[in-house]
Amino acid sequence: AQSVSQHNHHVILSEAASLELGCNYSYGGTVNLFWYVQYPGQHLQLLLKYFSGDPLVKGIKGFEAEFIKSKFSFNLRKPSVQWSDTAEYFCAVNARGGGADGLTFGKGTHLIIQP
Amino acid sequence: EADIYQTPRYLVIGTGKKITLECSQTMGHDKMYWYQQDPGMELHLIHYSYGVNSTEKGDLSSESTVSRIRTEHFPLTLESARPSHTSQYLCASSRDYNSPLHFGNGTRLTVT
Repeated sequence: AQSVSQHNHHVILSEAASLELGCNYSYGGTVNLFWYVQYPGQHLQLLLKYFSGDPLVKGIKGFEAEFIKSKFSFNLRKPSVQWSDTAEYFCAVNARGGGADGLTFGKGTHLIIQP
Repeated sequence: EADIYQTPRYLVIGTGKKITLECSQTMGHDKMYWYQQDPGMELHLIHYSYGVNSTEKGDLSSESTVSRIRTEHFPLTLESARPSHTSQYLCASSRDYNSPLHFGNGTRLTVT
């Protein structure tokens, strides 16, 4: 069975700071990787995903993530955060070819951006 | 804006009551899911469906039941609510296995 670990449960940054949220997974096979975001009062939505190809993937709102297979990591980055990035961020993984019934989520990182 | 709708948004009920949490989607997705989420914890899959008349239990044991009589509708029922059922329940759907999930706004349930 796979598992997902998000290293930071709470992160507080000032506007314009750079962001990196850690995500490590454990699974021996090929995986699909996702970052979901939940803005205050809104539903969870997809931020970006990696299935195959270029390990550096770009998502909405200037976010990107890099898949490093040797480190079993899929860290989320943004060069300069904005107040509107305040949200809960979830990393998720499933086995390649597996459906969402096999999707495993991390515990989430609560990001607060101070003006 | 979400194309998947959950009602009610908040619900406070007494122990022993029967409740049904509604979930509907307008995207024609075959696959639908129910997750349970507690604050600071990961989402846990409690039920899923691959299509009409298909229902399966997820990773997390749950005393709830689901039905899938129509493609667009995937209600979750608790026959006798208990305080341990207090949680947030999220409904989601997807087009196929490799498509991302579309989530509803969730139902925050409190059982007193």
